[in-house]
Amino acid sequence: DIQMTQSPSSLSAYVGDRVTITCRTSQIITKYLNWYQQKPGKAPKVLIYAVSNLESGVPSRFGGGGSGTDFSLTINGLQPEDSATYYCQQVYITPHTFGQGTKLEIK
Amino acid sequence: EVQLVESGGGLVQPGGSLRLSCAASGFTFSGYWMHWVRQVPGKGLVWVSRINGDGTSTTFADSVKGRFTISRDNAKNTLYLQMGSLRAEDTSVYYCARAGYNYDSGVYYFDHWGPGTLVTVSS
Repeated sequence: DIQMTQSPSSLSAYVGDRVTITCRTSQIITKYLNWYQQKPGKAPKVLIYAVSNLESGVPSRFGGGGSGTDFSLTINGLQPEDSATYYCQQVYITPHTFGQGTKLEIK
Repeated sequence: EVQLVESGGGLVQPGGSLRLSCAASGFTFSGYWMHWVRQVPGKGLVWVSRINGDGTSTTFADSVKGRFTISRDNAKNTLYLQMGSLRAEDTSVYYCARAGYNYDSGVYYFDHWGPGTLVTVSS
């Protein structure tokens, strides 16, 4: 199975800040990397697919990048509603493993 | 509007069985791969299983292989997860998710999710 390692596990930032969450995979997955946001008691919601493509309706302050085994999710100009847990996921091969999650708190 | 709604969760004893359903609407159900993902409350997401559009191809996580089966009824726009030989570690919220495919990138992703149904395995 492909292991997904996200960092940090949690972080705290202020409204307006820029934050970056990283995701490292145990093998090369080329472009098969997606990012999800999950709020408490809710289902996950896709933010970014294929490393850097913004899903329709997702604010442009969210961005994704990376290649090979190292990927990142960046949020520019944090908003209070960005308080959530963020997960990366690989769809290169099954099982479609997720990272362990990064909990983002807005101060 | 795309909607997915899971049902069938509840309390079941270890060793027991349960069938989850996921009712789909707002899209051509048979045209999409469908997946099940589970989550222990307060913990991370774990992929469980997938099935192709006509139900002829299925894949499972090792942790459920041989105990769970996935199926679909395209006439009823419904996805199923039959769970057997249940263990305490199967306790989770179970989500069904649609795999949307982006032709430009050649990548699929889980573009719609149901609200989830809680399965508790306990005596």
